[in-house]
Amino acid sequence: QVQLVESGGGVVQPGGSLRLSCAASGFTFSNYGMHWVRQAPGKGLEWMAVISFEGKSQYYADSMKGRFTISRDNSRNTLYLQMNSLRTEDTAMYYCAKERNVKATPGWYFDLWGRGTLVTVSS
Amino acid sequence: EIVLTQSPATLSLSPGERATLSCRASQSVGSSLGWYQQKPGQAPRLLIYDVSNRASGIPARFSGSGSGTDFTLTISSLEPEDFVLYYCQHQSNWRLSFGGGTKVDIK
Repeated sequence: QVQLVESGGGVVQPGGSLRLSCAASGFTFSNYGMHWVRQAPGKGLEWMAVISFEGKSQYYADSMKGRFTISRDNSRNTLYLQMNSLRTEDTAMYYCAKERNVKATPGWYFDLWGRGTLVTVSS
Repeated sequence: EIVLTQSPATLSLSPGERATLSCRASQSVGSSLGWYQQKPGQAPRLLIYDVSNRASGIPARFSGSGSGTDFTLTISSLEPEDFVLYYCQHQSNWRLSFGGGTKVDIK
């Protein structure tokens, strides 16, 4: 079954850290770039970061640089997002998403999304 | 950074009517423009990529058009399940942006 399943969300205090995971199955994970996208309650979609199919390149939205780190383990078919120094404004549903195009083919369109994992930053 | 502005914020129509959703970019985006649909409590779903190509499994009533800075998602005849949220998306220079969204609701 082709799917992405996020985990690792929860309630964390301001200043705390979390590591989100995204387990992939049903497709050749190592062939696709992967992204994290978040959505605050009642708000729109916000792109966060991308990691290339082989894990050699990472790019971040300007607002995400410094506190968030995207990584992957192709041997485990898993994508990660390390989140540090969390703020109340980081409260959101966090989605992982798969690129439609294989390997380095241009075009970041997401043809597979997970159901998301909710992160709540609150004291 | 390219900013995508969607209009209207809310579009009120009846089933069977034609929906026209707009996405305007702050500068030319070439053919790098996609559309997503998001139902309540669900992740987004890719509808259109590269301006006018329907993604796998997307019904023919959905179509995309446009060029340069002005793009349109058209739903030719609204079905009950189409009354949800829609986002446009663009990627360039290792950055990606989404529009603010258009909600299509029942008149």
